[in-house]
Amino acid sequence: SQTIHQWPATLVQPVGSPLSLECTVEGTSNPNLYWYRQAAGRGLQLLFYSVGIGQISSEVPQNLSASRPQDRQFILSSKKLLLSDSGFYLCAWSVRVDKETQYFGPGTRLLVL
Amino acid sequence: KQEVTQIPAALSVPEGENLVLNCSFTDSAIYNLQWFRQDPGKGLTSLLLIQSSQREQTSGRLNASLDKSSGRSTLYIAASQPGDSATYLCALTDSWGKLQFGAGTQVVVTP
Repeated sequence: SQTIHQWPATLVQPVGSPLSLECTVEGTSNPNLYWYRQAAGRGLQLLFYSVGIGQISSEVPQNLSASRPQDRQFILSSKKLLLSDSGFYLCAWSVRVDKETQYFGPGTRLLVL
Repeated sequence: KQEVTQIPAALSVPEGENLVLNCSFTDSAIYNLQWFRQDPGKGLTSLLLIQSSQREQTSGRLNASLDKSSGRSTLYIAASQPGDSATYLCALTDSWGKLQFGAGTQVVVTP
């Protein structure tokens, strides 16, 4: 069966520090991968999606970047965090050619102080 | 641009009552519509997925309907239980597979 992991689960970082969040998927190959952010009291916003290794599409201009160094690994990064980067970050995957449901990871709660 | 709205934003019902959650969208050119459940501080769990050609889907006590012409979907939860307390999100899938989410309805079922 397929599983999706995210770490860390919780992170508190000072403004201006770097960020690296990791997401890995097991039990499937060539997944579509997604990064979402959920700000307090708001809906989920798609940040990045990837259809393959090294292929990243950005949905909104922001202080963050994403990379996909391996087929089932998706990384969210920042060189200098802003207060507005605080939120709940969710990684998700879906089958490459089948536009069915997306499967979400447990999320990472980021607090920037 | 697609806009997804969920009303009400919050809902509290006594145990045993039926829940009715609404989702509306502005662009009927959708691939499918999904309902998710999110527990506090947790990820999302898919509840039901309705393809654009379908009118409804059922799973146990859950039933979701889709009316593309009016841009509406409704999630019914029969005989609510305290364990149904969570935030419920609807999301539309575009032709690429990207999801657009509503802000969610926070449900509290009191014993």
